[in-house]
Amino acid sequence: GNSVTQMEGPVTLSEEAFLTINCTYTATGYPSLFWYVQYPGEGLQLLLKATKADDKGSNKGFEATYRKETTSFHLEKGSVQVSDSAVYFCALRTQTGANNLFFGTGTRLTVIP
Amino acid sequence: KAGVTQTPRYLIKTRGQQVTLSCSPISGHRSVSWYQQTPGQGLQFLFEYFSETQRNKGNFPGRFSGRQFSNSRSEMNVSTLELGDSALYLCASSPVAAADTQYFGPGTRLTVL
Repeated sequence: GNSVTQMEGPVTLSEEAFLTINCTYTATGYPSLFWYVQYPGEGLQLLLKATKADDKGSNKGFEATYRKETTSFHLEKGSVQVSDSAVYFCALRTQTGANNLFFGTGTRLTVIP
Repeated sequence: KAGVTQTPRYLIKTRGQQVTLSCSPISGHRSVSWYQQTPGQGLQFLFEYFSETQRNKGNFPGRFSGRQFSNSRSEMNVSTLELGDSALYLCASSPVAAADTQYFGPGTRLTVL
């Protein structure tokens, strides 16, 4: 079946620290991969995406590379800010043409000044 | 463009009652998907509607149902509420089926007492 395994949180970092949140997936075929972010009291916002192997998605200083050989899509940012504090979700959409996303459990990030 | 709107934002119901949640997609979007978010199960796909037809359904009991109107607005209904139905219900829209980007609303927080 389709599933996403995400690094357990919570993660607490000091401002300007390097961030990595691990994400691996199981899926048939060639899924599209996503990172979504959820700020307190809000819905999900798409952070970045990659639709084929070796693609790199990037946005707001965050990056993730679609690695088919390791079935991974790890999220990284070189220097986090307090405003990055949120819950981050890794997700996949299969090739089947349906719009349903399979989500990881989410990783709560807290950045302290 | 206005984003995805969901009403109401908060609801309190008692066991055995039924509830209807509403979602208005971004103008021009024809696909609407619904997700349930709970601390225990995370984010789970409920169903997707496209052009008034249910295209895909997640693994939820028949108490959960939905529909989509000709203007793409969607409603979901939960009958015979159970305590475990307490959750944040998120709606997402996209312009077409199988789109790689879904836009999420802020959610409806349902509490079942």
